[in-house]
Amino acid sequence: GENVEQHPSTLSVQEGDSAVIKCTYSDSASNYFPWYKQELGKRPQLIIDIRSNVGEKKDQRIAVTLNKTAKHFSLHITETQPEDSAVYFCAPGGSNYQLIWGAGTKLIIKP
Amino acid sequence: EAGVAQSPRYKIIEKRQSVAFWCNPISGHATLYWYQQILGQGPKLLIQFQNNGVVDDSQLPKDRFSAERLKGVDSTLKIQPAKLEDSAVYLCASSLMGQVDEAFFGQGTRLTVV
Repeated sequence: GENVEQHPSTLSVQEGDSAVIKCTYSDSASNYFPWYKQELGKRPQLIIDIRSNVGEKKDQRIAVTLNKTAKHFSLHITETQPEDSAVYFCAPGGSNYQLIWGAGTKLIIKP
Repeated sequence: EAGVAQSPRYKIIEKRQSVAFWCNPISGHATLYWYQQILGQGPKLLIQFQNNGVVDDSQLPKDRFSAERLKGVDSTLKIQPAKLEDSAVYLCASSLMGQVDEAFFGQGTRLTVV
């Protein structure tokens, strides 16, 4: 079945610096690549997504880049702020409308 | 638009008791997911419905868990009998049919088995 890995599992950055989280997947049929943010005690919420016909998408301070050949996509957060502290999940999707979830990356923003 | 509704928000039961969770997806969403999220881990898919048909229940412990989605709208997830390791947040999510797309989550039900 589909194998999804996220790296790193924990990322600590200084406020104002950039953060990058990488997600690798195995299913070549995957065609939807979302990133979810989950704050402590809350539900996961979509922050950005991209489809396989696009290589990069940006929304203010966040961006997602996709490399379909290498089967990985990355979340980029610039000018990090304290409210960016959360757990981030990638969940590539494809056949059967399924999202396959990564194990999560805990992002810590140091003041 | 109204979001995914789940109830109850919290439930505490003793092991070997039974419990049921309810989910009402966003209107028009044909795909409904039930996830189990243990503290510190990512969501684990238990079962996925497309309308009232099961797409995937490969990770559902069928000896104790059951789920149904009558009429392709609301869904219930039941655990009988509960074990200590079932303590988790149970998340329901829904998405549009037609292509894999954003999943909208409910607030979840936090289950504690004592």
